[in-house]
Amino acid sequence: QVQLVQSGAEVKKPGASVKVSCKASGYTFTGNWMHWVRQAPGQGLEWMGVVNPGDGRTVSAQKFQGRITMTRDTSTSTFYMELSNVRSEDTAVYYCARDHSLSGDRSVWYLDPWGRGTLVIVSP
Amino acid sequence: SSELTQDPAVSVALGQTVRITCQGDSLRNCYTSWYQQKPGQAPLLVFYGDNKRPSGIPDRFSGSSSGNTASLTITGAQAEDEADYYCFSRDSIYNQWVFGGGTKLTVL
Repeated sequence: QVQLVQSGAEVKKPGASVKVSCKASGYTFTGNWMHWVRQAPGQGLEWMGVVNPGDGRTVSAQKFQGRITMTRDTSTSTFYMELSNVRSEDTAVYYCARDHSLSGDRSVWYLDPWGRGTLVIVSP
Repeated sequence: SSELTQDPAVSVALGQTVRITCQGDSLRNCYTSWYQQKPGQAPLLVFYGDNKRPSGIPDRFSGSSSGNTASLTITGAQAEDEADYYCFSRDSIYNQWVFGGGTKLTVL
């Protein structure tokens, strides 16, 4: 079955970078884009960006442009999300989620499955 | 910028029907997908498109869309449906994806 296994929790100091991994299995790695989503404590879901595993192209949320780097390693079927210059507001659970889309008169994008999340704590 | 608006909280009596809505200009061109999230868990896809329910999701979950508003309806809400619900769509103008702010559903 499709599985997304994320890396373990991280604790970082302000100004550092954090890199979260998401290892995919159970499907053709290049067949679906991968989204990154985060959720700060007690807050809602926030879309961060998406990566095309076929060519590595990315689209990121305007809020994170300049700080986020999304990459993939096709040899290990692993996606990576690196956030630089982290601050306390970046404390959150970070999820990867596999993209699907259906075209038609009205398209739809949906995310399934999701990884279990990686907790990142930014603290001095 | 892209935005999807949801009511922050909704309540429903056990066994009754509840509708959770999501509004945004991007929904005029794209369907939304809906996610259920329980405390301490990752979000779970419960409905997408005009009439698609993932395998394993009870048929009491349904969706609809009209104009700039999408709705998730739970017919005969159960105690286990108590959760946060999020809508998600793509804004083709800005080439961004966006979540609604989420609706906390309480089953009384």
